Amino acid sequence: LAKTTQPISMDSYEGQEVNITCSHNNIATNDYITWYQQFPSQGPRFIIQGYKTKVTNEVASLFIPADRKSSTLSLPRVSLSDTAVYYCLVGDRTGANNLFFGTGTRLTVIP
Amino acid sequence: DTGVSQDPRHKITKRGQNVTFRCDPISEHNRLYWYRQTLGQGPEFLTYFQNEAQLEKSRLLSDRFSAERPKGSFSTLEIQRTEQGDSAMYLCASSDSGAPEQYFGPGTRLTVT
Repeated sequence: LAKTTQPISMDSYEGQEVNITCSHNNIATNDYITWYQQFPSQGPRFIIQGYKTKVTNEVASLFIPADRKSSTLSLPRVSLSDTAVYYCLVGDRTGANNLFFGTGTRLTVIP
Repeated sequence: DTGVSQDPRHKITKRGQNVTFRCDPISEHNRLYWYRQTLGQGPEFLTYFQNEAQLEKSRLLSDRFSAERPKGSFSTLEIQRTEQGDSAMYLCASSDSGAPEQYFGPGTRLTVT
């Protein structure tokens, strides 16, 4: 399984763009990168998934360089409600080995 | 559909007792997953089902843990002879096998005294 490394915590002011980077040096050819968000006392919520280059949805963008050894989750213009823990997972697109959360990155948005 | 539901939301039990948790997935989802989460850590995968088949159970924490999904709909997670170290949030999630998103329930918080 590809191990992931993320910063433990980040702070940002409201309205700013936030970029959270995840390192996954031993990512396999068939592996996808998936990000989840978790608020206190709730289960995680799927944000975005990508394989290479850039993926964008209504919530975030995911940037993946050509070597795929890292990825960056970009949250545009964060608000206080984006304060949460963000997890990066690496594994096949839907299978059982895409089920390992690390300790995540705790994002705190400051007014 | 109202999403993934779990019951109970909270459970307090004495050490040595058995507990059972229930998860009702989103109705059209054929995959169901169980996780455990302790304070400050990410969810820890325990087991998952595709329909009624348990496809991965090697990560169940010990032989005191077991899970079932008898008719491919709801699932139960049982912990026998609970220990204080079992105190945690137990999360259930479901997904369609063709899609990456897992949808999580609100969890069952277990406290073993």
